[in-house]
Amino acid sequence: GENVEQHPSTLSVQEGDSAVIKCTYSDSASNYFPWYKQELGKRPQLIIDIRSNVGEKKDQRIAVTLNKTAKHFSLHITETQPEDSAVYFCAASNPSNTGKLIFGQGTTLQVKP
Amino acid sequence: NAGVTQTPKFQVLKTGQSMTLQCAQDMNHEYMSWYRQDPGMGLRLIHYSVGAGITDQGEVPNGYNVSRSTTEDFPLRLLSAAPSQTSVYFCASGGGGAYEQYFGPGTRLTVT
Repeated sequence: GENVEQHPSTLSVQEGDSAVIKCTYSDSASNYFPWYKQELGKRPQLIIDIRSNVGEKKDQRIAVTLNKTAKHFSLHITETQPEDSAVYFCAASNPSNTGKLIFGQGTTLQVKP
Repeated sequence: NAGVTQTPKFQVLKTGQSMTLQCAQDMNHEYMSWYRQDPGMGLRLIHYSVGAGITDQGEVPNGYNVSRSTTEDFPLRLLSAAPSQTSVYFCASGGGGAYEQYFGPGTRLTVT
């Protein structure tokens, strides 16, 4: 079955710097890759997603890139702000396999003011 | 629209007790799923459903049962609680399979 590895497990940056979180997946048939943000004590919230027919997607300060050949995808946050501090999860899904969504282990991002 | 709701928010059980975690959504989503979240383990899929009457196992199904009699509700049953089931449980729903899943607020379960 699908396996998703996420790195790093923790990331600390200065406010205004960029942050990059990387994930690799094992099932070459996966074609949906969402990213979730979870603040302390809250539910995970979908912040951006990408499907395999595109290589990059942007939404303001957030972007996701996908390399299907290498089976990895990344989350890029530019001009980080303290409110970006949270745990970020990547996930992958192969809809032909009934659409199970498999998550990475999470990255704790700390943005220092 | 309430979105995805879960009850209870907190629960303490003794080993061997049974209980049902409730999940409901009012978005007419066909896809619903249950995850557990443990420190350092991310979100692990327990069971999921692609529509009323259809359920399947996820990554960690042992010790849990589900049923889906309506589109709106997807309860998770613990038949005989064990300390290893201490966790935070999240229900999620999506309108197009695994695409764009939205999570409920979670249930924090402690088994002593």
